[in-house]
Parts: sequence; structure tokens; C-alpha cells
Amino acid sequence: AQSVAQPEDQVNVAEGNPLTVKCTYSVSGNPYLFWYVQYPNRGLQFLLKYITGDNLVKGSYGFEAEFNKSQTSFHLKKPSALVSDSALYFCAVGHGSGNTGKLIFGQGTTLQVKP
Amino acid sequence: GAGVSQSPSNKVTEKGKDVELRCDPISGHTALYWYRQRLGQGLEFLIYFQGNSAPDKSGLPSDRFSAERTGESVSTLTIQRTQQEDSAVYLCASSLIPAGSPTYEQYFGPGTRLTVT
Repeated sequence: AQSVAQPEDQVNVAEGNPLTVKCTYSVSGNPYLFWYVQYPNRGLQFLLKYITGDNLVKGSYGFEAEFNKSQTSFHLKKPSALVSDSALYFCAVGHGSGNTGKLIFGQGTTLQVKP
Repeated sequence: GAGVSQSPSNKVTEKGKDVELRCDPISGHTALYWYRQRLGQGLEFLIYFQGNSAPDKSGLPSDRFSAERTGESVSTLTIQRTQQEDSAVYLCASSLIPAGSPTYEQYFGPGTRLTVT
């Protein structure tokens, strides 16, 4: 069965420092991986995705993520955090076989960027 | 263009009453999803519609939950005989999945916050 794990409930980082939000996955076949962000009282917004190709994926707001097949990870990164990046981040995985489009989401990681 | 819209934005209901939540997907999106997000928790998949295929209902928590979709347009999620544990934000998403190309990117609506008293 597919699963996604976000091992950290919360990540704290100072503004201007690099940030990493961790995600590992388990899926049979080729994974399709996504990051979404949820700001308070708002719906989820798509950040980036890995389908195939380069392992380093660049997305919105300066975020990037690196697909590591051997470690089954897809960590979200940003070189320099902003206070406005503070939000709830979700990693999600879809399955490569079939065409269901169904995603499994992790439990979410709260990112707190302090000035 | 218009994004995914959901109505109502907030719904307070008494235990035992039925509620109906509405989702208007992005025009042209063939796939539509319903998720539930309980306070402080992640997204829980409920149901998925894709074109004219039979929906994937594997995430519905009980037979009190049902959903319908007319063609590739509006969907309604119905919860019968609501219970307090049904209190959550119900999120709808839509996606364009061209045949043979599983892009899977989902666009979410703002959600409906359901409170069962």
C-alpha cells in the first residue's frame, strides 16, 4: 500500500536560514510526488511535483525538492526562509500504474520561520 | 480563470441532521476529489470521480457518506445523520488528467468547515 511519512510535526527556522521539510514515501512502481502548502484559513496550494526526469525539482516561491529514489525521499528545501513561508506543508504521493490520480497525503509539517 | 469553489464556506448543524456540501470544479477538469481534514490532522481521502468511470469510494468512512457528480461538473457530498466526529473541513479538488498522461496536479477549493453540535 502507498504511504507518505512526514517525520516532523514542526520545523522551526530563523529568517534567512535554509530550510528543509522532510518527506519519505512507500509505493510500488513509479512514484509521483507533490508538495502542497496550506496557509491559515485557506485551501491547499500546489508548490511543485516530481513526475520523471531531473531529480531536483523547482517550484513556486523559491522552493525546490530533491527526489532520491534510493532513500525513497522527497525533501522540500529553500535556500533562504522568509517569515511569510510560515505555513502547513503537505507531501503527497500518487501511483504510477493505472491512471487514478488518487493521492495519499502525509500528516503535514508546520513550518515556523522566526524573524 | 475561476478556481475550485465550494459552498457553503461554513456549516453548523445539529447532530442527526443531514448536510449537503457542494463543489464546483475548474471547467474542463475531468477528475474531482473529496478530502476530509480534521483539526490538526492531514488530509483523508474520501472519494474520487474521473470522467464517466465508476467513482473510487474507498475512502468513505461509513454508509452515511455519499457523493454524486453530474458529468464533469458539480459534485455534492452528502452526510446523513451527522455525528460530532464528522466535524472537519471538507476539501474538494479537481485535476486535468489527459488520457495516458498521469499529471495528477490537483487544485483545491477553500473548503467547507462543518461543525456538528
